[in-house]
Amino acid sequence: ETGVTQTPRHLVMGMTNKKSLKCEQHLGHNAMYWYKQSAKKPLELMFVYNFKEQTENNSVPSRFSPECPNSSHLFLHLHTLQPEDSALYLCASSQTRLAGGRKTGELFFGEGSRLTVL
Amino acid sequence: SQKIEQNSEALNIQEGKTATLTCNYTNYSPAYLQWYRQDPGRGPVFLLLIRENEKEKRKERLKVTFDTTLKQSLFHITASQPADSATYLCALGSRNTDKLIFGTGTRLQVFP
Repeated sequence: ETGVTQTPRHLVMGMTNKKSLKCEQHLGHNAMYWYKQSAKKPLELMFVYNFKEQTENNSVPSRFSPECPNSSHLFLHLHTLQPEDSALYLCASSQTRLAGGRKTGELFFGEGSRLTVL
Repeated sequence: SQKIEQNSEALNIQEGKTATLTCNYTNYSPAYLQWYRQDPGRGPVFLLLIRENEKEKRKERLKVTFDTTLKQSLFHITASQPADSATYLCALGSRNTDKLIFGTGTRLQVFP
């Protein structure tokens, strides 16, 4: 149990489907992240939310739409995806603002959602 | 552009030896560097953090060094065990953003 829960763990969808990935963190952190992990490539940062406000959008196509209703929940809405979007999507959280202002940036990851686009 | 390279895609060593993994970066001045372990089909798990003003950090059998002149970090696992077999990722962070940039990882295999 990592404290960050992602659902579903596996998802297969067609290019015309609409689906959502869900992430919930039970660690009391202020920041949440979506990363994409493809084979032979480094983890790619997609979005960052800090206190529910989006602070990073790493030039992600609009077919990926994030939503952060509160500091504990993060969604990734998927619409008209392409086969090359098939990957492991990882959610993470961190406490970026510590007492005294010194941050560590340590990320706590969920187990990921394995997405296959047909 | 910013680039992080981890020395090799895979590293095979014998049980009991010390594994040394390398992380090199260019066009970046990180405030800190982190190492993560990732097992197949699982999310990465944080291992160690070292800041720009620190030379070395230790945790049990793990040791990390950070040389900001060489722009390099070394990650050592002493007395390696088959259970240490996994992919190890380095990641760089800055003072000004919440962005963490990852390398591609090195897959370590420790054989008996």
